[in-house]
Amino acid sequence: GAVVSQHPSWVICKSGTSVKIECRSLDFQATTMFWYRQFPKQSLMLMATSNEGSKATYEQGVEKDKFLINHASLTLSTLTVTSAHPEDSSFYICSAHAGGARGTGELFFGEGSRLTVL
Amino acid sequence: GIQVEQSPPDLILQEGANSTLRCNFSDSVNNLQWFHQNPWGQLINLFYIPSGTKQNGRLSATTVATERYSLLYISSSQTTDSGVYFCAVGDTGFQKLVFGTGTRLLVSP
Repeated sequence: GAVVSQHPSWVICKSGTSVKIECRSLDFQATTMFWYRQFPKQSLMLMATSNEGSKATYEQGVEKDKFLINHASLTLSTLTVTSAHPEDSSFYICSAHAGGARGTGELFFGEGSRLTVL
Repeated sequence: GIQVEQSPPDLILQEGANSTLRCNFSDSVNNLQWFHQNPWGQLINLFYIPSGTKQNGRLSATTVATERYSLLYISSSQTTDSGVYFCAVGDTGFQKLVFGTGTRLLVSP
């Protein structure tokens, strides 16, 4: 299946600092990627849709100035958590459709990035 | 927006037992996927099944789109099947998925 890769897998940072998470599609081009967040023992909640070459679309209640998304190429989207605070500690996971020649709407997920803010 | 409910929320099985997980959704969908989230958090694609029936080894899934539900069958369960199973649906083309509430499965030896 299609491969989506995230980096870093784990990150610990001090309160007030910014953290960047990368999401790459390894064997296909993705004009659209999706960023989800998962708190412990909860389901995944969509944060935003990342669009290559244009602004991201944020879900209601997600602060766009706090969670900066950049989708500068067809294989890379980045999520930057700015001025992180302990309540931002969570599991962040990205996803993308292989689309194109693959033809289906199947969504593939990265390995996820676990953020801990001290 | 579309609502997705899964049942049961928790399930404990003895190794070798069979189980059925259910996913109900509130509106028409054109995408439905089942995932297994392992203890490290990684989501493993199990089935892409907006309609019909598919089988993959000990796992199979059926989606009855007209009645707005999907079922995931696990036969001869193994301890490695433990984890959280999510159903996720999409209702607009190749777009975002809305995740269900999940079923937490524990298979004991």
